[in-house]
Amino acid sequence: GAVVSQHPSRVICKSGTSVKIECRSLDFQATTMFWYRQFPKKSLMLMATSNEGSKATYEQGVEKDKFLINHASLTLSTLTVTSAHPEDSSFYICSARAARAGTEAFFGQGTRLTVV
Amino acid sequence: AQSVTQLGSHVSVSEGALVLLRCNYSSSVPPYLFWYVQYPNQGLQLLLKYTTGATLVKGINGFEAEFKKSETSFHLTKPSAHMSDAAEYFCAVREWGSQGNLIFGKGTKLSVKP
Repeated sequence: GAVVSQHPSRVICKSGTSVKIECRSLDFQATTMFWYRQFPKKSLMLMATSNEGSKATYEQGVEKDKFLINHASLTLSTLTVTSAHPEDSSFYICSARAARAGTEAFFGQGTRLTVV
Repeated sequence: AQSVTQLGSHVSVSEGALVLLRCNYSSSVPPYLFWYVQYPNQGLQLLLKYTTGATLVKGINGFEAEFKKSETSFHLTKPSAHMSDAAEYFCAVREWGSQGNLIFGKGTKLSVKP
């Protein structure tokens, strides 16, 4: 299967700082990438969908100014958590999908963010 | 709206016993269905998927699932549990009309006792 690499796998940052998470498709061109957030013992909640070269579409209740998503190339999308607060601590997972109809999305390894 | 319900947030079996993880979905259109496994602090790994065709789908690690339209179910089974199967399992349905987003169930944690 296709490989999606997410970096870093874990990060600790101070309140008020920003942290960037990268999601790369290593062996295919990802026209669409999805960013999910997973709360402890909960399921994955879609935060936003991004298409290469255009603005991300955010789900209801997700602050677009706080969670900045950039999908500047067909192999890279980034999620920047700005002015992080302890309540932003969570597990963030990206997935990437190629353009062909019916292709499934492949998931990154996830990033454990802890804001102290 | 489409949704996925996983019965039982925690299932415990003995090593060698049958594994049965339940998943029911609601969808007004033919669904694409998936089972993923997640190990602690890791991403999701696809176990198997159903799109069209044969309703009994075989996946990796000896898992299989059967799509039953009449029961709107897609239960995951494995004849004999192994210690390495202990993980969190998620059932998902592809959101109709989306760009491929998946709607996930709440997950079932599988424990395997020696």
